[in-house]
Amino acid sequence: ELKVEQNPLFLSMQEGKNYTIYCNYSTTSDRLYWYRQDPGKSLESLFVLLSNGAVKQEGRLMASLDTKARLSTLHITAAVHDLSATYFCAAARSGTYKYIFGTGTRLKVLA
Amino acid sequence: NAGVMQNPRHLVRRRGQEARLRCSPMKGHSHVYWYRQLPEEGLKFMVYLQKENIIDESGMPKERFSAEFPKEGPSILRIQQVVRGDSAAYFCASSGTGPDNEQFFGPGTRLTVL
Repeated sequence: ELKVEQNPLFLSMQEGKNYTIYCNYSTTSDRLYWYRQDPGKSLESLFVLLSNGAVKQEGRLMASLDTKARLSTLHITAAVHDLSATYFCAAARSGTYKYIFGTGTRLKVLA
Repeated sequence: NAGVMQNPRHLVRRRGQEARLRCSPMKGHSHVYWYRQLPEEGLKFMVYLQKENIIDESGMPKERFSAEFPKEGPSILRIQQVVRGDSAAYFCASSGTGPDNEQFFGPGTRLTVL
């Protein structure tokens, strides 16, 4: 059974600092998704990672996937207050439809 | 190009009442998925439907919960005799054909049971 763990669960950081959120999954998974969720809102798709070694960047966020280590990372560069939100990763095995979500990382960027 | 639509966005029910949540998939999508998000948690898969068929309901509670996706009209998630523990955000997602197609999520319905 596929399980997904994120850490840290809570992250408070100063503006301008860098940090990384980790997403580990338990069995072979070929697809990894990162989402942002603001309080009371829906999921905003950030990145879709479909192959080992995939790296994608958008603004201050960069995501990568290492399928051999069963690890994806979301790196935040020079954080700004607007990045405060909860970030979820979700994994799915190739040929299946069930997304398995991590518990989320609540990020708070302090001015 | 409208995305996944859900209504209502907020729903308040008293214990024992029925809750009915609706989801219209993106245009061209024939696969619908329902997920539940309890407070401070990630989303949990509930059910996967195609038109007139339930493909996988392994995440649905055995009692009081049902889902359908009729030939015409939206998919409906029905919760009978709601209890306080049903309070959560319910998200619908849709995808095109094939299990590897990306799922696109709707805005969610936030159910509060008094």
